[in-house]
Amino acid sequence: DQQVKQNSPSLSVQEGRISILNCDYTNSMFDYFLWYKKYPAEGPTFLISISSIKDKNEDGRFTVFLNKSAKHLSLHIVPSQPGDSAVYFCAATPGGATNKLIFGTGTLLAVQP
Amino acid sequence: GAVVSQHPSWVICKSGTSVKIECRSLDFQATTMFWYRQFPKQSLMLMATSNEGSKATYEQGVEKDKFLINHASLTLSTLTVTSAHPEDSSFYICSARPEERPYNEQFFGPGTRLTVL
Repeated sequence: DQQVKQNSPSLSVQEGRISILNCDYTNSMFDYFLWYKKYPAEGPTFLISISSIKDKNEDGRFTVFLNKSAKHLSLHIVPSQPGDSAVYFCAATPGGATNKLIFGTGTLLAVQP
Repeated sequence: GAVVSQHPSWVICKSGTSVKIECRSLDFQATTMFWYRQFPKQSLMLMATSNEGSKATYEQGVEKDKFLINHASLTLSTLTVTSAHPEDSSFYICSARPEERPYNEQFFGPGTRLTVL
């Protein structure tokens, strides 16, 4: 049972344009969401997060939007740069006493120069 | 800050042998560390939660006698794959959460590539 889903396995974007990565979840108990970036043979790197009490969080070129009613979140990268090319994972956690992260399947972003 | 290291970065072993992987938080203390594995083109799957000074909590389907976890100090957790078999070949990643970080932001190590021949 995949509680966190990223339905697009890959995405190709031109440099300078906006990249939009999507993520859907099924567990209404999730209250905190995170995006990680991962290069091959390396561990994930934390990018940005959002609490369920917010609908938007922005950090430089990265913005995460949360739509709780639709159980959907998205990561916007603008402007996209070739160095952004990597696999992006969204993750969710129910918080509380557990620190478990439930990861999505990842989206491979390729930013073309 | 919030740097997590893993050792070794890759290891090749013969079937039936045991392999130990270390995970260290270099600039913070972590009462809780996590162990994940990732198969090619798949997501990171949580294997177990490692708590300093107590037994690890394993996820459903993960054999605790095969994947031994020891969290001996606030900066070190080890994963030992016992009697490794080719199907254990995978990318193993650990993570840790600094106590002062809000919510559940985890910082990951660079991973260990295990190949069992």
